[in-house]
Amino acid sequence: EPEVTQTPSHQVTQMGQEVILRCVPISNHLYFYWYRQILGQKVEFLVSFYNNEISEKSEIFDDQFSVERPDGSNFTLKIRSTKLEDSAMYFCASKGAHDTQYFGPGTRLTVL
Amino acid sequence: AQSVTQLDSQVPVFEEAPVELRCNYSSSVSVYLFWYVQYPNQGLQLLLKYLSGSTLVKGINGFEAEFNKSQTSFHLRKPSVHISDTAEYFCAVKETSGSRLTFGEGTQLTVNP
Repeated sequence: EPEVTQTPSHQVTQMGQEVILRCVPISNHLYFYWYRQILGQKVEFLVSFYNNEISEKSEIFDDQFSVERPDGSNFTLKIRSTKLEDSAMYFCASKGAHDTQYFGPGTRLTVL
Repeated sequence: AQSVTQLDSQVPVFEEAPVELRCNYSSSVSVYLFWYVQYPNQGLQLLLKYLSGSTLVKGINGFEAEFNKSQTSFHLRKPSVHISDTAEYFCAVKETSGSRLTFGEGTQLTVNP
């Protein structure tokens, strides 16, 4: 069964550094998403992406964040200058038929 | 904007007992409803979904949920739980014309022997 994959599984970075989180969505899906889950809190929507542009973003997704689909398979989330409060689990999701989003295993980002 | 409330943060039960995890939502427009499960150190796995049609939906691992529009609820049930059902369960809602999923706070189900 096709799956969404994410790399790395755990990323540790220093405050102020740039990080790129990578995702490979399910191959025939056209809609892509990023969510995050701060430890002990609910899963929060960050951004959705379709046809090479952002279709919706939350108030969390400020100028420090960007997304890109650099080739036919990868979907990336970049945080330009990380802050301590960016520490969270970041989930990628993709959507195909029947309006169902399928999630990857997540990348745990730790900002020191 | 939509919101989701999961009424129980923790539900401890004994193995083979029935369980109900409660979820209420709020939205001014039509929505789709989902339950996801998160096992320790893993991602979110879809359990079941309501898009349209029959209000009783069946999912994986013997779970089912009933959409109640008048009570704006989508409670998750299983008649007999196993130790392996221990996990965090998330209810989520999406406007039919929107893209974002809005999640509840999660319910930690712990099944004891």
